[in-house]
Amino acid sequence: AAGVIQSPRHLIKEKRETATLKCYPIPRHDTVYWYQQGPGQDPQFLISFYEKMQSDKGSIPDRFSAQQFSDYHSELNMSSLELGDSALYFCASSPMGTRADTQYFGPGTRLTVL
Amino acid sequence: DQQVKQNSPSLSVQEGRISILNCDYTNSMFDYFLWYKKYPAEGPTFLISISSIKDKNEDGRFTVFLNKSAKHLSLHIVPSQPGDSAVYFCAAVTSYGKLTFGQGTILTVHP
Repeated sequence: AAGVIQSPRHLIKEKRETATLKCYPIPRHDTVYWYQQGPGQDPQFLISFYEKMQSDKGSIPDRFSAQQFSDYHSELNMSSLELGDSALYFCASSPMGTRADTQYFGPGTRLTVL
Repeated sequence: DQQVKQNSPSLSVQEGRISILNCDYTNSMFDYFLWYKKYPAEGPTFLISISSIKDKNEDGRFTVFLNKSAKHLSLHIVPSQPGDSAVYFCAAVTSYGKLTFGQGTILTVHP
């Protein structure tokens, strides 16, 4: 079965650079969630989209922005990168009308900021 | 402000025995709870969930218990298998879809 695809899987950037993370949800899933997991920490909710509209927002820095496109894929744009942005970034998707137990996670993108 | 807490960073169990992972929460608005399993370099995998209107949900070797008055839930794995060794996250939901995770418990099942 198709799963959530995230690209790239690994990304290395310098401080103050920008990064773009991509998420391709499972086919027919119209809701996308982004989470950030720092070293030794639990995943923290960043932002979510339903039908290309932002549906909820968590602890996402103003330097970050995200959007969902007409094909339901989503991109997380990160600017003025800081050392503390180094983390695993997970994307999850779910179909409309379901509870969070159908939230399927991608393998994550490991971002390292040097 | 950790609204979902897993106070045991690690748990070691012998194969065939029961594994009990615990989770406490503080936000009484949580109405749905989930357990995820995570291997290194992979995303969390959904295991089992429970609604706040129930006190038990069972799926094969996995059973989740919810004690709403104590704001406590637990995941029982019986019998434990070496392949169960992973990090287990407890998560809770208030508003639709957004997950609040606990810190995770590393489960090691010894053959």
